[in-house]
Amino acid sequence: NAGVTQTPKFQVLKTGQSMTLQCAQDMNHEYMSWYRQDPGMGLRLIHYSVGAGITDQGEVPNGYNVSRSTTEDFPLRLLSAAPSQTSVYFCASSWTGEGNEQFFGPGTRLTVL
Amino acid sequence: GENVEQHPSTLSVQEGDSAVIKCTYSDSASNYFPWYKQELGKRPQLIIDIRSNVGEKKDQRIAVTLNKTAKHFSLHITETQPEDSAVYFCAPGSGSARQLTFGSGTQLTVLP
Repeated sequence: NAGVTQTPKFQVLKTGQSMTLQCAQDMNHEYMSWYRQDPGMGLRLIHYSVGAGITDQGEVPNGYNVSRSTTEDFPLRLLSAAPSQTSVYFCASSWTGEGNEQFFGPGTRLTVL
Repeated sequence: GENVEQHPSTLSVQEGDSAVIKCTYSDSASNYFPWYKQELGKRPQLIIDIRSNVGEKKDQRIAVTLNKTAKHFSLHITETQPEDSAVYFCAPGSGSARQLTFGSGTQLTVLP
């Protein structure tokens, strides 16, 4: 099992550009989520999904879109990148139900100039 | 939403000593209490978790204690080793929505 994978590992964008961060998992987890981590801070939830076709907003959803067409994939789209979106982005997945471990991907380091 | 506070923000201990990190939360509906460890440049990894019907859980040198009445839970690391040096996050969550709210982290440094 590859677990949770993310691509790319690093990305530099110019203000106003758009891009998609990819996330995939091969554990058949229903729940997937995206977090951002800024220096010296904890992770903040952007969007999450409890299954294919179902998504919802987290704490900091503005400027980001998601979709969940399959169980395995959960891409995060930046519509018009801004310097405030410079961050490290982590994707995570888990089984639904109480108390199940969330597995994190290796992260994508994004810089917006 | 959930407010999570984690203390201390930095902690230095001598190798072999114990370390304790405390997490307070506001949402009485929270029923899942994990602790994550994140090494520099790496992803967060779960090290221990506890559910609301249990007061304490141990796994070798690591333990978590929960006080639901006071809305706080703590991470205890005994016989610390240099490889315990990392940032530790609490992340209380609730229900099947699986939403975790992360604390701001504690940088633990174990001095040889």
